[in-house]
This record gives sequence, structure tokens and C-alpha cells, in this order.
Amino acid sequence: GAVVSQHPSRVICKSGTSVKIECRSLDFQATTMFWYRQFPKQSLMLMATSNEGSKATYEQGVEKDKFLINHASLTLSTLTVTSAHPEDSSFYICSASQTGGSSGANVLTFGAGSRLTVL
Amino acid sequence: GDSVTQMEGPVTLSEEAFLTINCTYTATGYPSLFWYVQYPGEGLQLLLKATKADDKGSNKGFEATYRKETTSFHLEKGSVQVSDSAVYFCALTTSGGYNKLIFGAGTRLAVHP
Repeated sequence: GAVVSQHPSRVICKSGTSVKIECRSLDFQATTMFWYRQFPKQSLMLMATSNEGSKATYEQGVEKDKFLINHASLTLSTLTVTSAHPEDSSFYICSASQTGGSSGANVLTFGAGSRLTVL
Repeated sequence: GDSVTQMEGPVTLSEEAFLTINCTYTATGYPSLFWYVQYPGEGLQLLLKATKADDKGSNKGFEATYRKETTSFHLEKGSVQVSDSAVYFCALTTSGGYNKLIFGAGTRLAVHP
């Protein structure tokens, strides 16, 4: 079945540095990928929708200059947390939809998530 | 705005016990409802879904019925197994597509022998 790989699964960084998280669809092409953020004991919140070859669409309240999303190919989207601060510490999850698949959540494939800790 | 509320965990059960995880929602329009499961170290997987009132979604022995009158979509399983230990997320979408999934906070289930 469809697999989405996220890397790294865990990352610890110092405040002020930038961190890049990769989301890869391993056996299918994904025109659309989604990035979510989850705080402890809270819901997954959609941050942005990225479409291959175009700018990402950010949800209200998400700083696009803080969370840079690049979807340069049909199998890779990256999320870069720039100038990270402790409040950016969170669990980041990506999902991808298959090219040409019918609409509906049953064709969304999720990555295992990346836990970011900013010291 | 639209939201999903599910019971806090962790839920700890013995093998073969009956499971209920409550989920209620607030939405405008007519949402589709979903249950996702996340096993340790893996991504979220769609467990079941229901797209209109009174629909029952079922998979792997789990069931949930879309109750419009009570705005609920409770997850049930008659006899849980140790392998069912995971985090369960209730979610909805009203966008007609799938990108605007709104999730609950997740409920961790631990089943012991």
C-alpha cells in the first residue's frame, strides 16, 4: 500500500536555528501534501496545504515566513521551521494524497510524524 | 467553528473487554465523520468512516454510527485485543474534499492480556 515517510522522526535543536522536516511519498506520486501540527493532548491542526510546483496555502494564523513549505516534486514536500523557538516544539505530521485518486479521506496517507524539541 | 471532542485517555482495558470511545462534533452543514488509528511508530490510518446520518462505518471489528440527533460518532468494539493498542482519532470534514480534516485530540487505548 501507499507509504509516506517522514524524516527525521525526532529532532532537537537550539533556539534560533532552522530545522527541515521531509515528507516523502515512497510508492506513489502526490500532487497535494498537507502539514499538521499537534500539541500535547490536543488535536491535529492543519497548518498548510502544499501543491507540487506552486506556493503552499496556509491556514489562518500560521506564519508563512516561519514555516516554509516547499513541494518541489511529486514525491517530496519539506517543512522548514525558521529561527525556531521553544514554543515551536511540537509534533509535526504530513499527509499526502495520490495523484488522480478520487476525492475522499480514504486516499490520504499519513506519515508517522516528527517530534521537534527546541531548547 | 467546526470542532471534534473525544474522550480523554488513556483508556486501559483487559483483552476481550468491550470498548467505547466517545466522540461528539460541532459542525455547520453536513459533515463526513471518520475514525483514524495510529499504531506506535506509524502514520495515521483510516479505520472507518460515515458520510451521512444513520450510516454505520465498520472495519476490523470496530463500528461507529453517525448520529445526527446527538451529533455523535462513538467508536465501539465488542472484544478488544492487545494488538488494538493505539491512539484513536475522531475527525470530520465538511469541505466536500479531504484537506480540511478537523481532528479530535486523540484517545490512547492500552489493552493488556
